[in-house]
Amino acid sequence: AAGVIQSPRHLIKEKRETATLKCYPIPRHDTVYWYQQGPGQDPQFLISFYEKMQSDKGSIPDRFSAQQFSDYHSELNMSSLELGDSALYFCASSAQSLDYNEQFFGPGTRLTVL
Amino acid sequence: AQTVTQSQPEMSVQEAETVTLSCTYDTSESDYYLFWYKQPPSRQMILVIRQEAYKQQNATENRFSVNFQKAAKSFSLKISDSQLGDAAMYFCAYRSARGSGNTPLVFGKGTRLSVIA
Repeated sequence: AAGVIQSPRHLIKEKRETATLKCYPIPRHDTVYWYQQGPGQDPQFLISFYEKMQSDKGSIPDRFSAQQFSDYHSELNMSSLELGDSALYFCASSAQSLDYNEQFFGPGTRLTVL
Repeated sequence: AQTVTQSQPEMSVQEAETVTLSCTYDTSESDYYLFWYKQPPSRQMILVIRQEAYKQQNATENRFSVNFQKAAKSFSLKISDSQLGDAAMYFCAYRSARGSGNTPLVFGKGTRLSVIA
């Protein structure tokens, strides 16, 4: 079965640089979520999109922006990177037709800011 | 805002034994979902078990079962016949059922489970 695809899997950036993380949801899933998991921490919700419109907003810094495109893939854009942005970034997708509206997680993108 | 509390940062269990991981949550909502996720060293988030708040019957998935006490806002995970592959970080998570249901997950801080051979 198709899973959530995230690219790149690993990314190394310098402080003050920009980064773009991509997420390709499971086909026919209508909602995408982004979570940030710092070292030794629990995942924190950043932002979500339903049918290409922003649905919920969590603790996403103003330096970050995201969008969902017509093909339902989503991109998380991160600017003026800081050391504290080093984390594992998860994308998850769900569909309202599923039981529990279950979220399926991608493998994550590990971002390291030097 | 909803909060999820896991009071056990670390737990250990002997192989083939049973272990229970604790989770409490705080919410003013009456309809919601609760989940346990497993995160092995690969860091992949794997759904272990889920429970709908309006269902009184406790969920069970093979060796995994929950004790859901809605009035006490408690949602513990029991792992029976523990196996070496169960060693991982376990996160308890809450999700509101408001609106269309595509709401974000709120996670606890996690419990790291070690399995001793």
